[in-house]
Amino acid sequence: GAVVSQHPSWVICKSGTSVKIECRSLDFQATTMFWYRQFPKQSLMLMATSNEGSKATYEQGVEKDKFLINHASLTLSTLTVTSAHPEDSSFYICSASGTTGEGAKNIQYFGAGTRLSVL
Amino acid sequence: AQTVTQSQPEMSVQDAETVTLSCTYDTSENNYYLFWYKQPPSRQMILVIRQEAYKQQNATENRFSVNFQKAAKSFSLKISDSQLGDTAMYFCAFMINTGTASKLTFGTGTRLQVTL
Repeated sequence: GAVVSQHPSWVICKSGTSVKIECRSLDFQATTMFWYRQFPKQSLMLMATSNEGSKATYEQGVEKDKFLINHASLTLSTLTVTSAHPEDSSFYICSASGTTGEGAKNIQYFGAGTRLSVL
Repeated sequence: AQTVTQSQPEMSVQDAETVTLSCTYDTSENNYYLFWYKQPPSRQMILVIRQEAYKQQNATENRFSVNFQKAAKSFSLKISDSQLGDTAMYFCAFMINTGTASKLTFGTGTRLQVTL
């Protein structure tokens, strides 16, 4: 149980275009989802926290107008990288946590990540 | 603010041997969770083990166990009977217990290589 699906796994886009990444909880209701960024051989850095039906809370230094987060349902959150530039190239990982069942107990379950390459 | 420190960037262990990964943390909170996650080459983050700070008993999950020393703010991971599939990056992480999901603060990771 507690499966989180993230799509796409790899995306290449041209500079200036926007890219949307989806994160879905498949077998539990995710009241909270998190978006992380991971640079090569480094740790995960939290970008933002999103609760279903409300605006995301962004970490200091993260541009909310560049990284748009939507959490419209209890099973889906999306991250849109707007007007992407080469410096946005990175590995983006989502996680989800619920309140009951496998997704409960303050455990975050992670998606498989999305590698974004901006040309 | 919370900080998590992993002082071993890389470690190596032979197949079937035991290895211990170190983690220390700093916090003024009293109610929190600690986690070990592994990230294999696929980069999928996998929960290895979880410890609740108010529980004195060390958590165990099959070949994985922790040594939780709350006063020393230490949370080491012991892997027994190491297997090739244990080769991965291991991250120690901290979460304040707010009653709902809250942010994870990760350490810098330890790269573990299991050799034959």
